[in-house]
Amino acid sequence: QSALTQPASVSGSPGQSIIISCTGTSRDVGGYDYVSWYQQHPGKVPKLMIYEVNNRPSGVSNRFSGSKSGNTASLTISGLQAEDEADYYCSSFTSVSTVVFGGGTRLTVL
Amino acid sequence: QVQLQQWGAGRLKPSETLSLTCSVFGESFSGYYWSWIRQPPGKGLEWIAEINHIGNNNYNPSLKTRASMSVDTSKNQFSLKLSSMTAADTAVYYCGRGGTWPTKIDYWGQGILVTVSS
Repeated sequence: QSALTQPASVSGSPGQSIIISCTGTSRDVGGYDYVSWYQQHPGKVPKLMIYEVNNRPSGVSNRFSGSKSGNTASLTISGLQAEDEADYYCSSFTSVSTVVFGGGTRLTVL
Repeated sequence: QVQLQQWGAGRLKPSETLSLTCSVFGESFSGYYWSWIRQPPGKGLEWIAEINHIGNNNYNPSLKTRASMSVDTSKNQFSLKLSSMTAADTAVYYCGRGGTWPTKIDYWGQGILVTVSS
């Protein structure tokens, strides 16, 4: 299975909004509303931020939101804060009952 | 509060078999799939495999021939074996709750760095 495609890096200034894309195929992202997003700070364990495309776990800021159109899912972070600087990974359920991750996106807060 | 605690050998020689175990605390083992995920140094996450309480497995096709998972429900533990290890398998290995069901990994183990070197 091929990794989902994410931009290697994105950046934004404090207070701005950024969008991270995650592109797959009809056999994963496009075929199911089972996309998750994870945040990982350096040396830390990944943290679930969004599940099932647009659902936030308890305790995750409402500045984080998810969406999907066709084979591409997106993570939007509004009101950027310095603490948002991290790596972000998307993942999806696949048609062969596996999980596939994206390559990861490094978010830099300028 | 759900907690996952993992352990296993942190250093292996090429061709050896990796063996990791993850214990689950504070949650019933049934009703979920339990996954292994790895992350090579400086690289992204890769899902390895998952198992549920009755031993149903799903594997990453690229690792299927080398990976094997088992479960011990009496101890709330699940394990991973990965054979024929090479330097390319050097990574931090995580266990987690979820995978294909629920379709999110919401609790993670602390991670263990496994280094393969002669």
